[in-house]
Amino acid sequence: EVQLVESGGGLVQPGGSLRLSCAASGFTFSDHYMDWVRQAPGKGLEWVGRARNKAGSYTTEYAASVKGRFTISRDDSKNSLYLQMNSLKTEDTAVYYCACISPFDYWGQGTLVTVSS
Amino acid sequence: DIQMTQSPSAMSASVGDRVTITCRASQAISNYLAWFQQKPGKVPKRLIYSASSLQSGVPSRFSGSGSGTEFTLTISSLQPEDFATYYCLQHNSYPRTFGQGTKVEIK
Repeated sequence: EVQLVESGGGLVQPGGSLRLSCAASGFTFSDHYMDWVRQAPGKGLEWVGRARNKAGSYTTEYAASVKGRFTISRDDSKNSLYLQMNSLKTEDTAVYYCACISPFDYWGQGTLVTVSS
Repeated sequence: DIQMTQSPSAMSASVGDRVTITCRASQAISNYLAWFQQKPGKVPKRLIYSASSLQSGVPSRFSGSGSGTEFTLTISSLQPEDFATYYCLQHNSYPRTFGQGTKVEIK
């Protein structure tokens, strides 16, 4: 059974930092690109970024709204994906999903990040 | 960045209705488009990939069409479990972009 389990969400003040983790199991994590997608309360889905696999040189892509503030990384030895979020803004408040949406349709249950003073 | 514009943003429909949702891309994306369904409190679920290919396990009443800049998701006969929000996603280029969503409500 495929599982993606996010952790690390919580309440943080504007300007603060937070690191999200995603533990993957049930598929060959190292073979695939991984994404972060977020959803603000009551709003639509927003793609945050992608981490390519070793064949893709572990390169990353980001949405304009987070570029320069967020960093995606992965550790294939731990089957884990990470999202380092710095300089957080109130508009970053959202549920953050770890996902493998190409070629699969694997999603975690999400972790809530609340940026508020 | 490629903008994805869905229409309508919301709609009311009855069980048995034929429903069509449109997604327009601000530039050509070939057939690099997927459709997702999301129910309240649940994670998104992919229905269609490559614009018209049905995801395994998805009922055949769902279909997708289009290429270039205009795409449609059709539900041939709306069922009670289909009341949800639907999103398109372009994966032709980075950054990936979702449409704003179409909420299908019970009439």
